[in-house]
Amino acid sequence: NAGVTQTPKFQVLKTGQSMTLQCAQDMNHNSMYWYRQDPGMGLRLIYYSASEGTTDKGEVPNGYNVSRLNKREFSLRLESAAPSQTSVYFCATEDRGGGAFFGQGTRLTVV
Amino acid sequence: GQQLNQSPQSMFIQEGEDVSMNCTSSSIFNTWLWYKQDPGEGPVLLIALYKAGELTSNGRLTAQFGITRKDSFLNISASIPSDVGIYFCAGQRGSGNTPLVFGKGTRLSVIA
Repeated sequence: NAGVTQTPKFQVLKTGQSMTLQCAQDMNHNSMYWYRQDPGMGLRLIYYSASEGTTDKGEVPNGYNVSRLNKREFSLRLESAAPSQTSVYFCATEDRGGGAFFGQGTRLTVV
Repeated sequence: GQQLNQSPQSMFIQEGEDVSMNCTSSSIFNTWLWYKQDPGEGPVLLIALYKAGELTSNGRLTAQFGITRKDSFLNISASIPSDVGIYFCAGQRGSGNTPLVFGKGTRLSVIA
């Protein structure tokens, strides 16, 4: 039982490049989230999906897009990476108020 | 922006000491949660609180959901070196399937 799996674990991009961060869960949870974590800032919500087929913006959505491909998978896309998007990205899942469960994170550096 | 005020930002304590940290908000939450993050890992859920006034323990950890529903605290008793990490509070407004709002974290260091 893997829980929440994020790929890749590490990535270095040049400014302007695009990439997609993948997240898959086997917990059969309805809700999935993408957060970014920066030093001293805690975790800030980028986008979320309360159920398959729906997505909503969070606190810091600019420069990102998401796709809820099915109940298991929720991807985050950077169309044109910027140095300000250097961060650690976490995917999380949650269902019926039981608390969110996080993946191990993707460490992204944009140079 | 961030709506949870978590304090202290960091703590240095001696092994064996008790630790207390808290989280306050200007608005009401229906659920309060406490997470711990080890270096290079994702946050892990420690305790979830669902009712105002609720006091819940998990081993040496005790957390309370404030009566006003605008605050919560976490206590760690008899700290040990593996307690080192960043502790986050989080609040959830709905009954589920709504995003969590996080505090900025308390970085705990334990001196043996």
